[in-house]
Amino acid sequence: QVQLVESGGGVVQPGRSLTLSCAASGFTFSHYTMHWVRQAPGKGLEWVAIVWYDGSREYYAESVRGRFTISRDNSKNTVWLQMSSLRAEDTALYYCARSYGSGSPFDHWGRGALVTVSS
Amino acid sequence: EIVLTQSPGTLSLSPGERATLSCRASQTVSRSYLAWYLQKPGQAPRLLIYGISDRATGIPDRFSGSGSGTDFTLTISRLEPEDFGVYYCQQFGGLEHTFGQGTKLEIK
Repeated sequence: QVQLVESGGGVVQPGRSLTLSCAASGFTFSHYTMHWVRQAPGKGLEWVAIVWYDGSREYYAESVRGRFTISRDNSKNTVWLQMSSLRAEDTALYYCARSYGSGSPFDHWGRGALVTVSS
Repeated sequence: EIVLTQSPGTLSLSPGERATLSCRASQTVSRSYLAWYLQKPGQAPRLLIYGISDRATGIPDRFSGSGSGTDFTLTISRLEPEDFGVYYCQQFGGLEHTFGQGTKLEIK
């Protein structure tokens, strides 16, 4: 069955960097657009970034643009989120999710990786 | 950026009752690019409705979506105990996807 498993979360100091991974299985990864979505504690969902199925394009929410980088390796069925210059407001549970194209809903989600930015 | 505003913030209803949730967009959203999700405590969101009115796999027909332009509605005809949680609408018509702030559906 479809599985998305995030890893790499943890506690990091403000201004430092952290990279999240999302390992995909149970489907043809190279056919799907991938996203990162985050949820601050007790808050709603915030879309963070998208990478096209072939890695040719990416786009970011304004709140993370210039600090976060999304990338993928279809040979490894993995998508990453490199986060730099982290701020306290980046503290959240980070989900990866898939969609069949950039104009499609998110039909499968991972369980999330918790990132805490604190000194 | 298209801003989605959901109402009410909290809805208190009993099992068997009808629930009506609203999602209003700051700009026109094409019919194909609007979806609804349910998130239960400690779980990832689950896709319910997409393309405004199409149900995702395994979603019972008591869930229905409607609307057009900037106003959209999710209706649950007869609430079951497993329907309680936080509902989010989402638009994905542009490069920047956005979610509404959520409606919490709680048991009365």
